[in-house]
Amino acid sequence: EPEVTQTPSHQVTQMGQEVILRCVPISNHLYFYWYRQILGQKVEFLVSFYNNEISEKSEIFDDQFSVERPDGSNFTLKIRSTKLEDSAMYFCASRGAGLEQYFGPGTRLTVT
Amino acid sequence: GIQVEQSPPDLILQEGANSTLRCNFSDSVNNLQWFHQNPWGQLINLFYIPSGTKQNGRLSATTVATERYSLLYISSSQTTDSGVYFCAAGRGTASKLTFGTGTRLQVTL
Repeated sequence: EPEVTQTPSHQVTQMGQEVILRCVPISNHLYFYWYRQILGQKVEFLVSFYNNEISEKSEIFDDQFSVERPDGSNFTLKIRSTKLEDSAMYFCASRGAGLEQYFGPGTRLTVT
Repeated sequence: GIQVEQSPPDLILQEGANSTLRCNFSDSVNNLQWFHQNPWGQLINLFYIPSGTKQNGRLSATTVATERYSLLYISSSQTTDSGVYFCAAGRGTASKLTFGTGTRLQVTL
């Protein structure tokens, strides 16, 4: 069964560094999403992406964040200058013509 | 935006017991999903159920869209069912999901 994959599974970075989190959505899917979950809290929406542009973003998704679909398969989330409060689990999700979203296994980002 | 509330926040069961988890949402939705977050933090899709009833083994779910709630039933619980259960709701074309705060389930021997 097709699945969403994410790399790396765990990333440790120093405050102020740039990080890129990578996702490979399911191949025929059209809509792509990033969510994050701070330890012990609920999952929060960050951004949705469709037709090579952002369709919606939350208040969390400020100028430090950007998304890109650099080729036909990858979907990336970049954090330009990481802060301690960016430490979280980041989930990528995708969906096709239907509304059900399929989530990847997550990348645990630790900012020290 | 949509508000999603889950109850109970915590639940402790003995193995073999049945349970019902509830999810209330504040507005009409066209997407309602249930997830199980395992100890490694992965979100496991359980059900996509914007309306109606579905069953998958010992798990079943019912969404009554007109009354804005969904229920997840776990029967004959096992220790491997432990973890946090989230429901998430969405509406519209882009249909971002708004998650509830989860129900933490612990199944003991």
